[in-house]
Amino acid sequence: AQSVSQHNHHVILSEAASLELGCNYSYGGTVNLFWYVQYPGQHLQLLLKYFSGDPLVKGIKGFEAEFIKSKFSFNLRKPSVQWSDTAEYFCAVMTNSGYALNFGKGTSLLVTP
Amino acid sequence: GAGVSQSPSNKVTEKGKDVELRCDPISGHTALYWYRQSLGQGLEFLIYFQGNSAPDKSGLPSDRFSAERTGGSVSTLTIQRTQQEDSAVYLCASSFDRNTEAFFGQGTRLTVV
Repeated sequence: AQSVSQHNHHVILSEAASLELGCNYSYGGTVNLFWYVQYPGQHLQLLLKYFSGDPLVKGIKGFEAEFIKSKFSFNLRKPSVQWSDTAEYFCAVMTNSGYALNFGKGTSLLVTP
Repeated sequence: GAGVSQSPSNKVTEKGKDVELRCDPISGHTALYWYRQSLGQGLEFLIYFQGNSAPDKSGLPSDRFSAERTGGSVSTLTIQRTQQEDSAVYLCASSFDRNTEAFFGQGTRLTVV
């Protein structure tokens, strides 16, 4: 069965530190890839998405992610985090043979001043 | 409305009672998803509707769970004979079609006592 793995469950960083959150999926076909963010008390919002084309995609708030097909990965990065980036981050995959967005278990990011 | 609307926002029910959760998707969105979010478990796919096609019910955890979507718009998730393990946040999302990003509602927090 298809799965999405987020290896970091809890991450604590100081402001201005660089961020990389891992996401791997298990599916050999064509995929659409997403990162969603859930700020405290708010609903899930789309950070960025990859459907096709340039494997390095840029999203809102300075986030970017790189699709590496050979590694089945779609890692999220930000060069310098801010306190306001404290949130839960979810990687999601949609395959061309299925309909549902499959989510990873999420990574809780805490950015300290 | 401008976004996905869910009601109620909070629901406390006694074990064994039935509950109905409502989702109003974004107007014009043909795809509608229900997910369940439990602490530490990420987002668990429940059911997916796409236009007038038969829904993908593969994520429903038991036959106590059912959902319908009337007129291709509003959806209701029904949980019969609720159990304590049903306590979670139930999220609804909609998208323009099955290959585009999903927009999430605020969720319904269900507590079974």
